[in-house]
Amino acid sequence: AQKVTQAQTEISVVEKEDVTLDCVYETRDTTYYLFWYKQPPSGELVFLIRRNSFDEQNEISGRYSWNFQKSTSSFNFTITASQVVDSAVYFCALSEERDDKIIFGKGTRLHILP
Amino acid sequence: GAGVSQTPSNKVTEKGKYVELRCDPISGHTALYWYRQSLGQGPEFLIYFQGTGAADDSGLPNDRFFAVRPEGSVSTLKIQRTERGDSAVYLCASSRDRMYNEQFFGPGTRLTVL
Repeated sequence: AQKVTQAQTEISVVEKEDVTLDCVYETRDTTYYLFWYKQPPSGELVFLIRRNSFDEQNEISGRYSWNFQKSTSSFNFTITASQVVDSAVYFCALSEERDDKIIFGKGTRLHILP
Repeated sequence: GAGVSQTPSNKVTEKGKYVELRCDPISGHTALYWYRQSLGQGPEFLIYFQGTGAADDSGLPNDRFFAVRPEGSVSTLKIQRTERGDSAVYLCASSRDRMYNEQFFGPGTRLTVL
């Protein structure tokens, strides 16, 4: 069965600190896709990244970076030099190619304090 | 360009009533999805349309829930005999084709069943 676990329910850091959001997934498929979404206080989910299971290269986009490790079934997300505008709920999600569903974790609520 | 739109933004109804929630996907997107998000939880998959047909409706909680997409564009989620437990934010998303492509989410409809 597919499952996404985000063990950190809530994190608070002071602005400019780096913060890492953890994501651990379970799947029996060899082909799958991992996602991160941001949900700001306005409520609308914003796509951040998609990674397929065959691409373990880490990705960096500005202050955001993602670390995908198949050996530990983890897909962690790091924000460098955090800003107040990064405050939101962040969801990790998984989709198996054989199954047309996206399974979301419960999310991590991130507070960036000024 | 226009994003995914959902109407109404808020719906308050009484237990036992029937409600319809509407989703207008991004033009040209063949795939459309409905999710339900309860407070403090991640979005929960309900149903996925590819064109006019429901490719996967395994997430619908029971037979009170039904969704249609008759012309392959606008979709309506219908809930019969609403219960208090149906209260949640109902999210719609669309993507260019397959589930694992980037999904664009609408702002959601907040349903409150009194």
